[in-house]
Amino acid sequence: EPEVTQTPSHQVTQMGQEVILRCVPISNHLYFYWYRQILGQKVEFLVSFYNNEISEKSEIFDDQFSVERPDGSNFTLKIRSTKLEDSAMYFCASKRDQNTEAFFGQGTRLTVV
Amino acid sequence: GESVGLHLPTLSVQEGDNSIINCAYSNSASDYFIWYKQESGKGPQFIIDIRSNMDKRQGQRVTVLLNKTVKHLSLQIAATQPGDSAVYFCAFAGGTSYGKLTFGQGTILTVHP
Repeated sequence: EPEVTQTPSHQVTQMGQEVILRCVPISNHLYFYWYRQILGQKVEFLVSFYNNEISEKSEIFDDQFSVERPDGSNFTLKIRSTKLEDSAMYFCASKRDQNTEAFFGQGTRLTVV
Repeated sequence: GESVGLHLPTLSVQEGDNSIINCAYSNSASDYFIWYKQESGKGPQFIIDIRSNMDKRQGQRVTVLLNKTVKHLSLQIAATQPGDSAVYFCAFAGGTSYGKLTFGQGTILTVHP
């Protein structure tokens, strides 16, 4: 069964450092998303990406965040200067169509120290 | 604003019992609703979905009920098993163009053998 894969599974970084979280969405999907989940809280939308551009972003997704689809398979989230409060699970998701279920990856646990 | 909330944060049941998890939403523009299951350390896993033109949908051991009048969604799990123990999130889409999901807070379901 096709699945969304994310790497790394766990990333520890120093405050102020840049991190890149990587995702390989399901191959025939067209809509891509990043969500985050702070420990014990609900999943929060960060950004959606369609047709090679950001289609929607939340207030969380400020200038320190960026996304890229550098080739036909990878979808990355970059955090330029990490803060302690960026520590969370980051989930990538993809969809075939706009209003179908989103398939989520296993997540990357980001710990900022 | 948009919000999705849950009536019960935790639910404990005995193996074999039926479980009902509830969710309230506030955005009348919501037209697509999903239940996800999240096990510890994993990403949300799709369980079942329903569109706003339906009020009931059944899957294997699960049923989703949608009451648009009172903006209420429920997930029924028949013959609950220990493997059903997880956090269950309702999520909705609609009112936006690119299918972002808004998640509820989550209900912790614990199934005792």
